[in-house]
Amino acid sequence: AQTVTQSQPEMSVQEAETVTLSCTYDTSENNYYLFWYKQPPSRQMILVIRQEAYKQQNATENRFSVNFQKAAKSFSLKISDSQLGDTAMYFCAFMKRRVAQGAQKLVFGQGTRLTINP
Amino acid sequence: DAGVTQSPTHLIKTRGQHVTLRCSPISGHKSVSWYQQVLGQGPQFIFQYYEKEERGRGNFPDRFSARQFPNYSSELNVNALLLGDSALYLCASSFGTELRASYGYTFGSGTRLTVV
Repeated sequence: AQTVTQSQPEMSVQEAETVTLSCTYDTSENNYYLFWYKQPPSRQMILVIRQEAYKQQNATENRFSVNFQKAAKSFSLKISDSQLGDTAMYFCAFMKRRVAQGAQKLVFGQGTRLTINP
Repeated sequence: DAGVTQSPTHLIKTRGQHVTLRCSPISGHKSVSWYQQVLGQGPQFIFQYYEKEERGRGNFPDRFSARQFPNYSSELNVNALLLGDSALYLCASSFGTELRASYGYTFGSGTRLTVV
């Protein structure tokens, strides 16, 4: 079974600063996907960024980038030039790449509550 | 284009009662998944349905059941409610193929269930 661990329950930074959220995972799979989701007070899970484990290049989406270390099973999220709208819960999630039978499900970490202060 | 819609948004039930939660996926999406998010934790997988068939089930008791209709909408049913069933129930949809799923699921805003 896969597990995802986020060791930072809460983080707080000033607007415009850079912040890094940590995530580690445990799996025996070689091919999989990793995601960061954002959950604002509206409760809807919003996909921030995704990473394919078979690609060495780290994914980037505008101000969001990841540091994917496959051997260390680490997948951190860096938010540059943080904005007030980035305030939310952030969840790291894992999904197997290929599922012969059964569900293609997301396995989530416990989340990190990020607050951006003005 | 409408996103994933869930109803109701909030619900209060008494222990022992039954509840039905509803989800309409994005148009064209054939797969619907249900997740339970207890306060302060990450979502936990409950069910996935694809083309009206159950694809998988998480570690939840038989009190939890679900189904998918020909229009790909879905219902989650919970019988004999316990206080511990109080949570945010999230529905997620995707096209259903592995490649599409790898781009992440689209979630609804959830149903907040409170059991008293």
